[in-house]
Amino acid sequence: AQSVTQLDSQVPVFEEAPVELRCNYSSSVSVYLFWYVQYPNQGLQLLLKYLSGSTLVESINGFEAEFNKSQTSFHLRKPSVHISDTAEYFCAVRPKYSGAGSYQLTFGKGTKLSVIP
Amino acid sequence: DAGVTQSPTHLIKTRGQQVTLRCSPKSGHDTVSWYQQALGQGPQFIFQYYEEEERQRGNFPDRFSGHQFPNYSSELNVNALLLGDSALYLCASSLGTGASPLHFGNGTRLTVT
Repeated sequence: AQSVTQLDSQVPVFEEAPVELRCNYSSSVSVYLFWYVQYPNQGLQLLLKYLSGSTLVESINGFEAEFNKSQTSFHLRKPSVHISDTAEYFCAVRPKYSGAGSYQLTFGKGTKLSVIP
Repeated sequence: DAGVTQSPTHLIKTRGQQVTLRCSPKSGHDTVSWYQQALGQGPQFIFQYYEEEERQRGNFPDRFSGHQFPNYSSELNVNALLLGDSALYLCASSLGTGASPLHFGNGTRLTVT
């Protein structure tokens, strides 16, 4: 089984300041890693994913996340946030290979990012 | 290109009643998954349908059942509703197996009174 821990439930940050949203996971098997964003009254949108290769992955809107296998972490960062980044962010994992639980995403409880003008 | 669509958007039911939620996957997708998101929590996996069969199930009771139709759309049925079933129910679609990412709908907000 997998579990995901998002260490901060709420993160307030001033506009144009950097931010890091932390995510740690536990799994006995290799996993794919994802960050999803949820705006109010909407579903989840895929922000970025790590499948293999370079451990640093980037999104089109300036977010990046780095997979650290030894620390089992996948923290999300942005060097300068905007008001429009205010949303809830979810880290998720899924086993890489077929078997029990391989088709389901396991989510963390989410981190609410509030960007202050 | 329509994304994942869910209906209805909101629903209010009474304890003991039954409810059916509907989902149309993104064009080209053949796999549908259902998640329950309670207030202040991350989504929890209910089950996944592929080729009209339940491929995998999460830790949910038999009161939760589903169906996938030949056009890949899906229904989630919940019987004997409990107050604790109040949540946002999210449908997600993807293409086949492997690392295909999930595309989520906006969800159905179910309130059980």
